[in-house]
Amino acid sequence: SQQGEEDPQALSIQEGENATMNCSYKTSINNLQWYRQNSGRGLVHLILIRSNEREKHSGRLRVTLDTSKKSSSLLITASRAADTASYFCATDGMDSSYKLIFGSGTRLLVRP
Amino acid sequence: DAMVIQNPRYQVTQFGKPVTLSCSQTLNHNVMYWYQQKSSQAPKLLFHYYDKDFNNEADTPDNFQSRRPNTSFCFLDIRSPGLGDAAMYLCATSGQGRYQETQYFGPGTRLLVL
Repeated sequence: SQQGEEDPQALSIQEGENATMNCSYKTSINNLQWYRQNSGRGLVHLILIRSNEREKHSGRLRVTLDTSKKSSSLLITASRAADTASYFCATDGMDSSYKLIFGSGTRLLVRP
Repeated sequence: DAMVIQNPRYQVTQFGKPVTLSCSQTLNHNVMYWYQQKSSQAPKLLFHYYDKDFNNEADTPDNFQSRRPNTSFCFLDIRSPGLGDAAMYLCATSGQGRYQETQYFGPGTRLLVL
């Protein structure tokens, strides 16, 4: 079953602008991850944030986590055309079952 | 260097003709996963192996089977592909940890069923 819902489903911005994507989930988690998928390719891990963390940075990426609201956001600053891809959040279960449940994804288009 | 390798990248099969997709990894990870992803959708977990322990998702059709002969290799067998099985099939691995950590994905095999 799908744990996460992402918003918006699609986002189109101009190069240089910031892109913000949101993810909501349903159950308690140990950590939340964001993945990127270029068209027709596999997923690439971007960043992992643990349930006791509120914010994490990696290069132009900023992730926040609000466990009280069961939501996370991914901010890409100063976007580039090469950032065009689909972005998925993924959550684990508290049962240590080695599974991730992926959100529905946000398709980002960065126009040159 | 490729860490999770999937072959072939594109596979065409006929309706009802068995097909096998392969995945290999150089990461020596304990856990290997197979996902099905249809256009514009999230990856859907079919099953995963923790070492040799096979874990099937409740809603994975019986038409899908998997084999893991050793740590490095894992196969997805589709016994009688239907038109609805046309999708991207993603293999992923993760290391042993107390909680779910990063998964490393292969490039995927796109399956076309004629």
